[in-house]
Amino acid sequence: DTGVSQDPRHKITKRGQNVTFRCDPISEHNRLYWYRQTLGQGPEFLTYFQNEAQLEKSRLLSDRFSAERPKGSFSTLEIQRTEQGDSAMYLCASSPTPYGYTFGSGTRLTVV
Amino acid sequence: GQQLNQSPQSMFIQEGEDVSMNCTSSSIFNTWLWYKQDPGEGPVLLIALYKAGELTSNGRLTAQFGITRKDSFLNISASIPSDVGIYFCAGQARDDKIIFGKGTRLHILP
Repeated sequence: DTGVSQDPRHKITKRGQNVTFRCDPISEHNRLYWYRQTLGQGPEFLTYFQNEAQLEKSRLLSDRFSAERPKGSFSTLEIQRTEQGDSAMYLCASSPTPYGYTFGSGTRLTVV
Repeated sequence: GQQLNQSPQSMFIQEGEDVSMNCTSSSIFNTWLWYKQDPGEGPVLLIALYKAGELTSNGRLTAQFGITRKDSFLNISASIPSDVGIYFCAGQARDDKIIFGKGTRLHILP
């Protein structure tokens, strides 16, 4: 059981740069979720895929954010023109059903 | 939008003590979940509750799904050092995304 894998674990970038994160879900899970967690807060929903279809996007996902899941397997989350407020832990989760997701270890983004 | 109020925000207890934390919502949920998060890691599912009134245990952990479907509690008995971490309640409406509370930070005094 390889679990949900996220890469990289940590990313430091300069303000204005673009960054891309990758998530590999558990292989038989057709649902994939992205959440963002800032210090002292619970995870906040960003977006959700069922197979390759992006079914829901949060208002938190500004036009600088884009997520893809091209073949219904791994997913990428790209942030363009990063801002300091984008500094957070970005969590990916997957599930075979709508209930009880399995989370990855997250990607910690620091924008300097 | 849906919000979860989780309390207490933090707890300082002695090893061996029992712990209780709870979560309330302005909305009805079909599923209540309790997660634990260690520093630098993602949340790990502890207990899932699917039915109003349900009481479920996982070792020293016990959680209940409130009758009104707007609240849940988590109890930890006989706390040990590895219980330290952040505990999140989470609610889920039918086939919808999971909404998290802000967490309860558990500290165990030596």
